[in-house]
Amino acid sequence: GDSVTQMEGPVTLSEEAFLTINCTYTATGYPSLFWYVQYPGEGLQLLLKATKADDKGSNKGFEATYRKETTSFHLEKGSVQVSDSAVYFCALSSRADGLTFGKGTHLIIQP
Amino acid sequence: SAVISQKPSRDICQRGTSLTIQCQVDSQVTMMFWYRQQPGQSLTLIATANQGSEATYESGFVIDKFPISRPNLTFSTLTVSNMSPEDSSIYLCSVEGLAGQETQYFGPGTRLLVL
Repeated sequence: GDSVTQMEGPVTLSEEAFLTINCTYTATGYPSLFWYVQYPGEGLQLLLKATKADDKGSNKGFEATYRKETTSFHLEKGSVQVSDSAVYFCALSSRADGLTFGKGTHLIIQP
Repeated sequence: SAVISQKPSRDICQRGTSLTIQCQVDSQVTMMFWYRQQPGQSLTLIATANQGSEATYESGFVIDKFPISRPNLTFSTLTVSNMSPEDSSIYLCSVEGLAGQETQYFGPGTRLLVL
């Protein structure tokens, strides 16, 4: 079945550091890929998405590129801020129903 | 963008009781889903709420424990029946089909604690 594997945290960085959160997937067919973010005490928000190979999703300075050859969708940001502290979930959709989520990566940005 | 609301936002319940969670969207959507997020864990799909027919449950979830209704294209309920402490989780509804997009958007969640 479908699965998503992402690096587990917590990941602790200093403000303005470069961020990479790795995500790889296993799926039948050609899934759509997503990154969701959950800020402390809040619900799940869509951060970015990509629907086909080589697509790049971007939002709020975050980027991720759909790499079919490596079945990956790594999340990157050039300069993180304290306000980026949250839990980040990689997810895929390959069927006409729900999403399959990774376990989430807790990101902590220190001033 | 659409507004997705859930009621209640949180509750504390006694074991053996049932709780019904409501999910309301301010526009019609194609698909509605229910997820569970156990403490410190990721999200797991419980079921797809089908409008006008029985919900489609994922492996490990059954209708007797999690009955779901979806009477129209903007509203759904999830009931957590005969609760035990293991049911303590955040329950989230999500919707797909806003403005024709195949992207899921999530409600704020219902935090449930079972004593």
